[in-house]
Amino acid sequence: GAVVSQHPSWVICKSGTSVKIECRSLDFQATTMFWYRQFPKQSLMLMATSNEGSKATYEQGVEKDKFLINHASLTLSTLTVTSAHPEDSSFYICSARNPTSGDYNEQFFGPGTRLTVL
Amino acid sequence: GQNIDQPTEMTATEGAIVQINCTYQTSGFNGLFWYQQHAGEAPTFLSYNVLDGLEEKGRFSSFLSRSKGYSYLLLKELQMKDSASYLCAAVAGDYKLSFGAGTTVTVRA
Repeated sequence: GAVVSQHPSWVICKSGTSVKIECRSLDFQATTMFWYRQFPKQSLMLMATSNEGSKATYEQGVEKDKFLINHASLTLSTLTVTSAHPEDSSFYICSARNPTSGDYNEQFFGPGTRLTVL
Repeated sequence: GQNIDQPTEMTATEGAIVQINCTYQTSGFNGLFWYQQHAGEAPTFLSYNVLDGLEEKGRFSSFLSRSKGYSYLLLKELQMKDSASYLCAAVAGDYKLSFGAGTTVTVRA
């Protein structure tokens, strides 16, 4: 159990367009999901915490109007990169916390989405 | 605030042992994770320590000292497939993970 999927696995888009990335918990309900960004040869940086039924909490320096997060159900969170620019090209990874897991701190990671903005 | 430090790179020979150290300064510390990440892939869970001491899982062991803000990951009987980046991550009471920059381990034949 505790499988998290992401779609798409990779996407190439033109500068100025918007891209939506989906994160799904396949076999559990996730009240909290997290979105990370990872640039080449760097570590994961937390962008925001997505809470089902309420507004996302963004980390300092992350523009909430550029990175729109929606957590409409207990199994789906979406990240929309609006007006994407080449500097937004990165590896975006989501994770989900399973509140019923014996280890309540563990997060289960999706496979990641590689975004390339031309 | 969060501050996680770990070495950038380590190289070892197949069959050897390597120890990756991690120091942290984390507000509301609630545990320490180790993840393995291959290039272009998401991190995979290796271990989780919340209490002081050593946790052993096959070839991998992880140690935590909360009083010293210190952890290490021990990889024994290294195999070529163990070449990867190893991420130390501290979790706070709000379930947020703060990652270190990662240690790239290269295993040579």
